[in-house]
Amino acid sequence: AQRVTQPEKLLSVFKGAPVELKCNYSYSGSPELFWYVQYSRQRLQLLLRHISRESIKGFTADLNKGETSFHLKKPFAQEEDSAMYYCALSGLNFGNEKLTFGTGTRLTIIP
Amino acid sequence: GAGVSQTPSNKVTEKGKYVELRCDPISGHTALYWYRQSLGQGPEFLIYFQGTGAADDSGLPNDRFFAVRPEGSVSTLKIQRTERGDSAVYLCASSLTSDSFSGTDTQYFGPGTRLTVL
Repeated sequence: AQRVTQPEKLLSVFKGAPVELKCNYSYSGSPELFWYVQYSRQRLQLLLRHISRESIKGFTADLNKGETSFHLKKPFAQEEDSAMYYCALSGLNFGNEKLTFGTGTRLTIIP
Repeated sequence: GAGVSQTPSNKVTEKGKYVELRCDPISGHTALYWYRQSLGQGPEFLIYFQGTGAADDSGLPNDRFFAVRPEGSVSTLKIQRTERGDSAVYLCASSLTSDSFSGTDTQYFGPGTRLTVL
């Protein structure tokens, strides 16, 4: 069975401070990992995916297969980063496209 | 262009009633997904269509839930004999193609339908 764990439901960080949102997963094959974000009164949208290995809005995430983690990081938090963040997993098995989401972390940036 | 749209945005019904939730995917997207998000939880997969056919319906909780996509575009999620536990936000997403050899394609989500069963 595949599972995504986000241990922190709530996280508050001061503006300008570093941010790290934790995500751990369990999956028997080779997963693809994502971070989705939902800003206030907006729909869920993709923030980044591990395959792209890119930085979006200053956020990065590295897949650590040994620790089965995909933590989201940003060196300097900005007020506009306040949102709900979901880590998600998809198998790379043929035909399996569904996403398995964690329970989410609500990030609040304190001015 | 227009994103994924869902109607209605809110639906209040009584226990035991039948409801239909509609999803209009992004034009040209062949894959369509339904998820359910209960309060305090992440989205939970229900069913996935590739074209007109259900490629994976393993997430449907029981036989009261059914979804169709007759022409490969619009999809309807149907819930019979609704129960209070069905109350949730139902999310629809679509993606351009379903080619696992190039990894999972980006899913674009709709705004959701908030279903409340009294």
